Amino acid sequence: KAGVTQTPRYLIKTRGQQVTLSCSPISGHRSVSWYQQTPGQGLQFLFEYFSETQRNKGNFPGRFSGRQFSNSRSEMNVSTLELGDSALYLCASSLRGQGNNEQFFGPGTRLTVL
Amino acid sequence: GQQVMQIPQYQHVQEGEDFTTYCNSSTTLSNIQWYKQRPGGHPVFLIQLVKSGEVKKQKRLTFQFGEAKKNSSLHITATQTTDVGTYFCAGRSNDYKLSFGAGTTVTVRA
Repeated sequence: KAGVTQTPRYLIKTRGQQVTLSCSPISGHRSVSWYQQTPGQGLQFLFEYFSETQRNKGNFPGRFSGRQFSNSRSEMNVSTLELGDSALYLCASSLRGQGNNEQFFGPGTRLTVL
Repeated sequence: GQQVMQIPQYQHVQEGEDFTTYCNSSTTLSNIQWYKQRPGGHPVFLIQLVKSGEVKKQKRLTFQFGEAKKNSSLHITATQTTDVGTYFCAGRSNDYKLSFGAGTTVTVRA
């Protein structure tokens, strides 16, 4: 069974631009969660999608948004990028939801904002 | 909101020694998960604890969930170089949100 894939793996953007990251979960998994990881803040929960509906949301500004498609693939979008958005963005898929059973993390997208 | 505190932030261990990392929540948890992230890698699920007072073992790793379901610990015996990495706990609150601790980064002296 293929693991969670994320594209692109690396991205360099400038302040003010927007970016879209993609995540393909493990086949059969309906839940996709997104996390931001930085050295100073650790793993911060962004949001969780389950069967195309946002089920949970963390404490991030509205510049961070996401969606999930009928095939469970998910995208997250960050608009009006700021320097502080530089981070590793991880997505994780699970069968029944982030808190119900184990999550499988993808390799992440390393975003650098200049 | 719910906060999960994890200590210590760093753990430097002599190979062969034991160590413990602790997680504490400000609210009662539905369950707690533990993950390990190797340097340059992504978090990998280790275990989930659900019941009050639950204890689970995986070879040299022992996981505990407190009686009040507000704290948890991971104890590693006879540390090996393969144990290097950051260990995260993640607690699920009753509103289904999962909060990660800041992690304990473990280095091993051979």
